[in-house]
Amino acid sequence: NAGVTQTPKFRVLKTGQSMTLLCAQDMNHEYMYWYRQDPGMGLRLIHYSVGEGTTAKGEVPDGYNVSRLKKQNFLLGLESAAPSQTSVYFCASSRTGTGVEAFFGQGTRLTVV
Amino acid sequence: EDQVTQSPEALRLQEGESSSLNCSYTVSGLRGLFWYRQDPGKGPEFLFTLYSAGEEKEKERLKATLTKKESFLHITAPKPEDSATYLCAVNSGNTPLVFGKGTRLSVIA
Repeated sequence: NAGVTQTPKFRVLKTGQSMTLLCAQDMNHEYMYWYRQDPGMGLRLIHYSVGEGTTAKGEVPDGYNVSRLKKQNFLLGLESAAPSQTSVYFCASSRTGTGVEAFFGQGTRLTVV
Repeated sequence: EDQVTQSPEALRLQEGESSSLNCSYTVSGLRGLFWYRQDPGKGPEFLFTLYSAGEEKEKERLKATLTKKESFLHITAPKPEDSATYLCAVNSGNTPLVFGKGTRLSVIA
């Protein structure tokens, strides 16, 4: 049982380049999330989705876009990467949005130079 | 706005030295308080969910408790393999999990 899988695990980008991070879950969960984790800042929510075809902004959405075309996949895009987007990105999923735990992927370490 | 504050930021224990981690929260209508463990270079791993004041849950050397304002993660006779960052998160209504900054625990043999 793979759970939540993130691709890629590591990436180095130059300022201004674009990229897409892929998250896939095999638990048939409705809700999916993208968080970023920075030293001293904890996990902060970027965007989330309450079901296929829906997305919503989190705490730190600027500079990112997302899409949920299929229930099992949640994509995070950076259109023009900036050094401030250097971070570790985590995808998570949960069965519902209330009172249940979220399951996390292993993370993507992104460096923007 | 939901808020979570964890203390201490870092804790260093000798093997066998029991202690507690604190998670204070402010939330309108708690639907769940969650504890996670995170090892370096990995994603958070779910430990416990608590729903109401007075509730307790245990797993091996860990016990989580909940009051109306805070939660404690008690670690009894810790071992070096318990070294990790412990994260607390809250959920209210349909708002996604809001996390604290974590407590980095080191257990020295």
